[in-house]
Amino acid sequence: SAVISQKPSRDICQRGTSLTIQCQVDSQVTMMFWYRQQPGQSLTLIATANQGSEATYESGFVIDKFPISRPNLTFSTLTVSNMSPEDSSIYLCSVGAGDYEQYFGPGTRLTVT
Amino acid sequence: QKEVEQDPGPLSVPEGAIVSLNCTYSNSAFQYFMWYRQYSRKGPELLMYTYSSGNKEDGRFTAQVDKSSKYISLFIRDSQPSDSATYLCAMSESGGSNYKLTFGKGTLLTVNP
Repeated sequence: SAVISQKPSRDICQRGTSLTIQCQVDSQVTMMFWYRQQPGQSLTLIATANQGSEATYESGFVIDKFPISRPNLTFSTLTVSNMSPEDSSIYLCSVGAGDYEQYFGPGTRLTVT
Repeated sequence: QKEVEQDPGPLSVPEGAIVSLNCTYSNSAFQYFMWYRQYSRKGPELLMYTYSSGNKEDGRFTAQVDKSSKYISLFIRDSQPSDSATYLCAMSESGGSNYKLTFGKGTLLTVNP
């Protein structure tokens, strides 16, 4: 299993600013995933972060808007840049552990005003 | 057409009822099917994991997959108030824990005592 913590748990930000979300895992993992959960929408994968390489972004998500760092095997950050109200969402990180399970963090609840 | 369709509900049932939750999908490459449970203000947690078509039972929970119809179900027997949560179906083309998951929107379930 894996225990994941995220910081901050929630934040209210002004449009045009940026927020960096941290994800910490209690064990070393190969890949970390960043998801977005917008109200009334599916949990959607933003990007996959592999330690030591550039993150891989899903269609519709770009590095300039959502830069990701993965400095080691237990930590990653996601930055939401130049925010607009449409970025208001819950952002979750997850990791793969064991044979098939992905473990999710508690999420960061972001409101952009 | 979205890859995964899930009725968002909400669904409200009395304690002890049998609950049926369903998802349909369009991508025939999906081979691994999961149900996650998400309590309010928490990250999703894996409930059931199945490969290809068939049934899998775990206590009060039964997962069914019908690949020919591109339809998956989760049944909850003898539902309890503690089952009140959002249930998310998720699917993957590849097995293991380090692959992209595609989620449905989730169904909000309330079990009334």
